Formats: sequence, C-alpha cells, structure tokens
Amino acid sequence: KAGVTQTPRYLIKTRGQQVTLSCSPISGHRSVSWYQQTPGQGLQFLFEYFSETQRNKGNFPGRFSGRQFSNSRSEMNVSTLELGDSALYLCASSPTGGPIDGELFFGEGSRLTVL
Amino acid sequence: AQSVTQLGSHVSVSEGALVLLRCNYSSSVPPYLFWYVQYPNQGLQLLLKYTSAATLVKGINGFEAEFKKSETSFHLTKPSAHMRDAAEYFCAVSRSNDYKLSFGAGTTVTVRA
Repeated sequence: KAGVTQTPRYLIKTRGQQVTLSCSPISGHRSVSWYQQTPGQGLQFLFEYFSETQRNKGNFPGRFSGRQFSNSRSEMNVSTLELGDSALYLCASSPTGGPIDGELFFGEGSRLTVL
Repeated sequence: AQSVTQLGSHVSVSEGALVLLRCNYSSSVPPYLFWYVQYPNQGLQLLLKYTSAATLVKGINGFEAEFKKSETSFHLTKPSAHMRDAAEYFCAVSRSNDYKLSFGAGTTVTVRA
C-alpha cells in the first residue's frame, strides 16, 4: 500500500511569489491535514479536510489556503510568499479524520525555501 | 487551550541506557496524548497514543509511556537505547472532534556508542 505522497519534495521561490503543494493520501483515506514545521515555531497545524470540507483551521494568515478534491487529494497554496514561510510542509492522512479515530500517516514533506 | 511542554530539547544517552523523554500537558479536559518520532528528512511516525483505555501504553520499537493525571505527565521511556533510536521525538495532544494535533517543541535524542 503506497504511503502519503507529497510533491514537490523541494522547491525554491522568491518573495512575493506563490506556491502550490500537493498531497496524495493513502488509498481509502478521506481526511487530509497539513502542518508547517520550522526550527523556530516547531510543528503547527494549518488545516484539515474531510470529504472536500475544511473542518478545522489553524492560526495562519489568509495567504495560506487549501482544498481537497473528490478523490481526497489535497493541495495547499501560499500566496505572496514571505521569508518566514520557509519551512517543511507536512501532509498527513487518516481514514476518517483526526488523530483520535485513527492514526495519522505523514508524508515526507515538501521543503520550501523562500529567497 | 491545550498544550504540551517537552522538558529538554536535547537528550544524549549511551547505547543500552535508559531513554526518558518528558512531556507535560495542560488541558481542561482529559486529553488524548501521542508520541511521534521523526527521523532525518522524513515525516512523523506514531510511536504510541493514550486514549484513556490504559494508563501504561506500549508502542513500537520498545517504547512505552505512562499517563499520570495527578502529574499531568505523559513521559516516554525505553529501557535500552539503540543507535537507531537517534531521532527527534514529539509529544502531542488532541481532543475529540478537534481533528488536529498540538505538538510540543520536540526533543532530539543522540545515542552514543
């Protein structure tokens, strides 16, 4: 069974640009969540989607957005990039949503560098 | 708001020695608690979770953790460290219907030969 796949794995952008990251969950998983990991702030929750609906959102500015498609694949977008957006963005999937009901399976992340 | 505090950002142990990673939580209601491990250039992997079924939770790779409500703690232990245990470990908390994890700052474990 394939794991959570995130693309691209590495990317470099400049300030002011936008970026779209993609996440393909494990087959059959309907929940996808996103986390940002930085040395200074650690791991922070961005948002969670289940059956194309956002059920929870973290404390991030509106420049951070996401969506989920009918096949459960998810994308997140960051517009008007800032230096502080440099981070490892982790996607996680679970069968029905949330760490309570089932294990979260994490991808290897997309490492974004903003210059 | 709920949060977790991990005491010690770095822990160094000798191979074969006890590994003890500390985690304290603050929550107004009984939480769900987790330990995750992250190896270099990889995502997070669940070691174990507490969901009120038993206070002593056994996980993968020989790790276990004990939930102590009176101390609001959920410390992670492994009796005998192995070189492959070198990684970063995160304690996390969640609530039902929350659909998110709140992570501690992480503890990096170094294992000395």
